[in-house]
Amino acid sequence: GAVVSQHPSWVICKSGTSVKIECRSLDFQATTMFWYRQFPKQSLMLMATSNEGSKATYEQGVEKDKFLINHASLTLSTLTVTSAHPEDSSFYICSASLSGAGSSYEQYFGPGTRLTVT
Amino acid sequence: ILNVEQSPQSLHVQEGDSTNFTCSFPSSNFYALHWYRWETAKSPEALFVMTLNGDEKKKGRISATLNTKEGYSYLYIKGSQPEDSATYLCAFIDFRDDKIIFGKGTRLHILP
Repeated sequence: GAVVSQHPSWVICKSGTSVKIECRSLDFQATTMFWYRQFPKQSLMLMATSNEGSKATYEQGVEKDKFLINHASLTLSTLTVTSAHPEDSSFYICSASLSGAGSSYEQYFGPGTRLTVT
Repeated sequence: ILNVEQSPQSLHVQEGDSTNFTCSFPSSNFYALHWYRWETAKSPEALFVMTLNGDEKKKGRISATLNTKEGYSYLYIKGSQPEDSATYLCAFIDFRDDKIIFGKGTRLHILP
């Protein structure tokens, strides 16, 4: 099956610094990549959808200047949490798809990144 | 606000027993419903992509049904095994904007 990797798997950073998380599709070209955030005991919350070579589409309530998403190639998307604060501490998980969300293609998820901001 | 509900939140099932749980979603603007299995320390893994009312899909001992008119999908597991222990997530895809909304999941524990 399709494999998606995420790096790093966990990171601790100081308040005010920025953190970059990478999401790679290892054996397929992902037209669309998604970034999710999961709060404790909550569901996956879609943050943004990104298509290769174009600007990401952010969900309502997600600050695009704080969560910078770049999808420079068909196999790599990055999420940068800028000027991180403790409330940004969360589990971030990406997924990749061969097409948009509404297609018959399922999403392939990465293993997630646990971010802790101190 | 679109709501996707999964019930029960948590479920304990004896090994060998069969079980099922529900995903409820808006009955309007339906495009697709996805089921995922999320085992601890692993990535969520797609089980089914369902698009048509009345769809029934099967993968081994796991099957799912879809009723888009009333807005629900059932996931069935026959003869539960320890490896079935996981959180099962459903995701509703909205026709209007491809918006993806996940339910909170059903956490399944198989008891030996």
